[in-house]
Amino acid sequence: GENVEQHPSTLSVQEGDSAVIKCTYSDSASNYFLWYKQELGKGPQLIIDIRSNVGEKKDQRIAVTLNKTAKHFSLHITETQPEDSAVYFCAVRDSGYALNFGKGTSLLVTP
Amino acid sequence: KAGVTQTPRYLIKTRGQQVTLSCSPISGHRSVSWYQQTPGQGLQFLFEYFSETQRNKGNFPGRFSGRQFSNSRSEMNVSTLELGDSALYLCASSSGTARMNTEAFFGQGTRLTVV
Repeated sequence: GENVEQHPSTLSVQEGDSAVIKCTYSDSASNYFLWYKQELGKGPQLIIDIRSNVGEKKDQRIAVTLNKTAKHFSLHITETQPEDSAVYFCAVRDSGYALNFGKGTSLLVTP
Repeated sequence: KAGVTQTPRYLIKTRGQQVTLSCSPISGHRSVSWYQQTPGQGLQFLFEYFSETQRNKGNFPGRFSGRQFSNSRSEMNVSTLELGDSALYLCASSSGTARMNTEAFFGQGTRLTVV
């Protein structure tokens, strides 16, 4: 099955700095990649996704980049704010419709 | 548009009992997936239903089962509960049309505690 690895497991940045989280995957046939944000006591919230025919996608302060050759994709958050503090998960959809998740990155943005 | 609704939000059950969790997907969505989230194992796929048919199943024992109704609402059942079944159970909703890759939106989850 699909194996998804996510790094780092924890990340601390100062407000206004950028944060980058990276995920690698194993199945070269995978073609849909997602990022979720989970706050305490809540379900994961989809923040951005990308399909394999696209190399980069942006939505305001959030961007995802995809390198299919190297089998990795990254989440970029610019101008971080304290409310960006949460756990972020990457996910890869496999051919069986399941989402395969990374172990998560706990992001802390300090004022 | 209403989001994904899971009920109940919290449950406490005793070992050996069985439990049923409910999920109402986003209106118009026909695919419902279930995931188990624990601190040690992270988010793990249980099964996925589309138009009342189970399309895929994860690596969980047969004590975990599910079904989907004609209105796309889904239930999952866990029988003979074990302490290790304590987890946050999440339901994800997507349009799931054919093999098109579509967004998956999660509910708030049901926190199950087995004592």
